[in-house]
Parts: sequence; C-alpha cells; structure tokens
Amino acid sequence: QQQVKQSPQSLIVQKGGISIINCAYENTAFDYFPWYQQFPGKGPALLIAIRPDVSEKKEGRFTISFNKSAKQFSLHIMDSQPGDSATYFCAASFQKLVFGTGTRLLVSP
Amino acid sequence: GAGVSQSPSNKVTEKGKDVELRCDPISGHTALYWYRQSLGQGLEFLIYFQGNSAPDKSGLPSDRFSAERTGGSVSTLTIQRTQQEDSAVYLCASSFRQGNEQFFGPGTRLTVL
Repeated sequence: QQQVKQSPQSLIVQKGGISIINCAYENTAFDYFPWYQQFPGKGPALLIAIRPDVSEKKEGRFTISFNKSAKQFSLHIMDSQPGDSATYFCAASFQKLVFGTGTRLLVSP
Repeated sequence: GAGVSQSPSNKVTEKGKDVELRCDPISGHTALYWYRQSLGQGLEFLIYFQGNSAPDKSGLPSDRFSAERTGGSVSTLTIQRTQQEDSAVYLCASSFRQGNEQFFGPGTRLTVL
C-alpha cells in the first residue's frame, strides 16, 4: 500500500519531443505528489509538485497531470532538451515521502 | 542561504567497522530525513525527525543503524559493524516542517570493502 510504481525505467526522447513518465499509487491517504530531478553525483531536487485537489499543474515546460480516481499521476516535459537528461523520481507523501524507482531520461541532440 | 550539507562526501570502510555520517540541515527547518539510494535504485526511507517529537525509525533496515539529532539541528547516522550490502549513497533532506518541500543534500557515498 505504501508503494509508488513508476514507469518506464528508462526513456530516450529526441530534442524537442515530449517526455512522459507515469506513476501509480495505492494509498488514498497520500496528499502531496512531488517530482524530483537528479543529476549524477547530486541529491534530488524538487521539480514540480501537486496536491490532489487539482488535476493539472504547469510550470514552464513541465506539467503534472493527476487522476485521483485512477490513482495515477504523470510528468510531461514539453520541448525536451539535452539538459533535461537526468533521473526523475515521482513521490507521494502522507507524513513522509515514498519514492518511485526512478526513470532515467536521455534527450538526444 | 546555505543548503543541506553532508559529510564526508565519500567514505570507504572495511567490513565490520562502524561509520558516522553527518547532516547539517537548512537553518530553521524542523524536519530532517535520511534516505538510502543503492546504485541505480530509488530512494529508501530510513528515518525522520520532526522537532522534538520521537523520530520515526520505521525505515531502518536493522538494529545496526541508528540516528540522532542534537539540538534540533545537526544529525548523525551511525552504521555499526558495516556490511558490504550497506554500500550506497546516504542522502539527508530537511524541510521547514513535515509535509513541506524537502531539500536534499549531495549525499555521502559509502563503500564497504
């Protein structure tokens, strides 16, 4: 019940394309859903987050879509750039964060 | 405004030795978290501290792992009698309060030979 399932494990997208990463959860008590970006040798950094009272949140090229009834949420990266190449983690929180297993994104030039 | 700092950045130790990892959270943050990230894996929750409340130790994998937070600020994660499977990056994070955005440190890479 505490798991957050993330897919795909890895993703290759051409520059300018759309990157889509999906997550699913079971625990309906989760009330905060952040996405973290991690570059090699660095700690994760918050990218964007959403609470379950909204279905979508957009910040620049990054959008979270949230489907409460399906217990799913996804990250969309529009106009993907080589600098977006990193590992992305979804997470869900009720008192403490539960992380997905990560998606390694490679944006080819 | 310094971020979360961790020391050492790298630690190599021999199996059976004890190690101490340090975390300095962002000033004013009342919540502090420890996670473990094994190579190519996600983040595994270990323990968190919230103010003066008893810590949530539910993620500690064995009784060889312990952590303390002195004066509501600096935290130390101690691993006794290290094993090779303890090799991982240990990440610390802090937040203004529980449930808020967590800011991560750069991690300590622990290698147990």
